[in-house]
Amino acid sequence: TQLLEQSPQFLSIQEGENLTVYCNSSSVFSSLQWYRQEPGEGPVLLVTVVTGGEVKKLKRLTFQFGDARKDSSLHITAAQPGDTGLYLCAGTFVRGADGLTFGKGTHLIIQP
Amino acid sequence: DTGVSQDPRHKITKRGQNVTFRCDPISEHNRLYWYRQTLGQGPEFLTYFQNEAQLEKSRLLSDRFSAERPKGSFSTLEIQRTEQGDSAMYLCASSRMVSQGGYTFGSGTRLTVV
Repeated sequence: TQLLEQSPQFLSIQEGENLTVYCNSSSVFSSLQWYRQEPGEGPVLLVTVVTGGEVKKLKRLTFQFGDARKDSSLHITAAQPGDTGLYLCAGTFVRGADGLTFGKGTHLIIQP
Repeated sequence: DTGVSQDPRHKITKRGQNVTFRCDPISEHNRLYWYRQTLGQGPEFLTYFQNEAQLEKSRLLSDRFSAERPKGSFSTLEIQRTEQGDSAMYLCASSRMVSQGGYTFGSGTRLTVV
């Protein structure tokens, strides 16, 4: 069974600060996705990464995929209260396989 | 296209009753997935369809659970003889053939079994 670990589980910071959250697995990802989820809603896809070492940017969010494709990070610059939410990483471990494996998520609170 | 729709948004049922949820995927997506999410956890995979064929089921999907996608469009998830442990958010997602492009999730159905 492939497990996906996310850290930290909870993070509360002040508006304007920077933060990084992490996603790790002992297995190699075929692809990895980051989602953001708000209470009572479904997850919303932020990014998909497939190539080791890949870096993608989405406004103030920077996503990095590890060279060995076993880990990923999400960095937020100058966090805003609107960034508050549950950040989930999810991966597939075999190319073409389905059924994403999700981590438990990082609960992020940005205080004004 | 307004995305993935799920109905109902909330369902409260008594233990032992049967419930059915509906999911309408994005029309050009031929893959449809069901996930379950409990409080404090990430979504857990239940099953998925490619067109009308159910291709994979998780061992989480006990024999009280059944899912259908009769015409390759909308899907239903039925839970028979509900138990309190079935209380969760049931999420539906759809995608194109290549899942690496990411899934589009619906807003979910929140089930509470009392």
